[in-house]
Amino acid sequence: IAGITQAPTSQILAAGRRMTLRCTQDMRHNAMYWYRQDLGLGLRLIHYSNTAGTTGKGEVPDGYSVSRANTDDFPLTLASAVPSQTSVYFCASSRETNTEAFFGQGTRLTVV
Amino acid sequence: SQQGEEDPQALSIQEGENATMNCSYKTSINNLQWYRQNSGRGLVHLILIRSNEREKHSGRLRVTLDTSKKSSSLLITASRAADTASYFCATAGGSNYKLTFGKGTLLTVNP
Repeated sequence: IAGITQAPTSQILAAGRRMTLRCTQDMRHNAMYWYRQDLGLGLRLIHYSNTAGTTGKGEVPDGYSVSRANTDDFPLTLASAVPSQTSVYFCASSRETNTEAFFGQGTRLTVV
Repeated sequence: SQQGEEDPQALSIQEGENATMNCSYKTSINNLQWYRQNSGRGLVHLILIRSNEREKHSGRLRVTLDTSKKSSSLLITASRAADTASYFCATAGGSNYKLTFGKGTLLTVNP
């Protein structure tokens, strides 16, 4: 079934640990995005990629890094997790940056 | 800062009534999109309206766009309890090759 998959679905992480959230899509979409969703703040863009091999910073990139080695995968890495990174993380993809986006089901991350 | 801002933040109506949500944005856009999110789930795309369009329909949804006022509205007619969800507008294009979202409107439709 075509779509976008995130892993893990939830995680409790000790502060200071490194963590990679995985995102894979099989729709051959060029653009991919990482958002975090916090109560009262809506969705905020962390990083994005317009096409394989390129990435860009969103509104809240500090403490996060991404890579786009191929079309399908767009992992998000927290190098040294802090409690303020506790959030629900959504990965999304779209055929191009201006078209309809498809979302994964999210990763609920708790940093303690 | 976020591009789109929805208004109101929360809306509670009775089944069968119409629900109207508004979105304002700050910079030029290529298109504006509306999404729906059920509690604990990912967002689902509802409708896209291009900057050269003024109105668009999809089933019980009607979207308008006023680029001179940098605003959009989403109307859900004859609402149902199953329409209860958060609704987000998102803007794309112009000089901003990113899809950015507002904070959303929480719609509650009471049976």
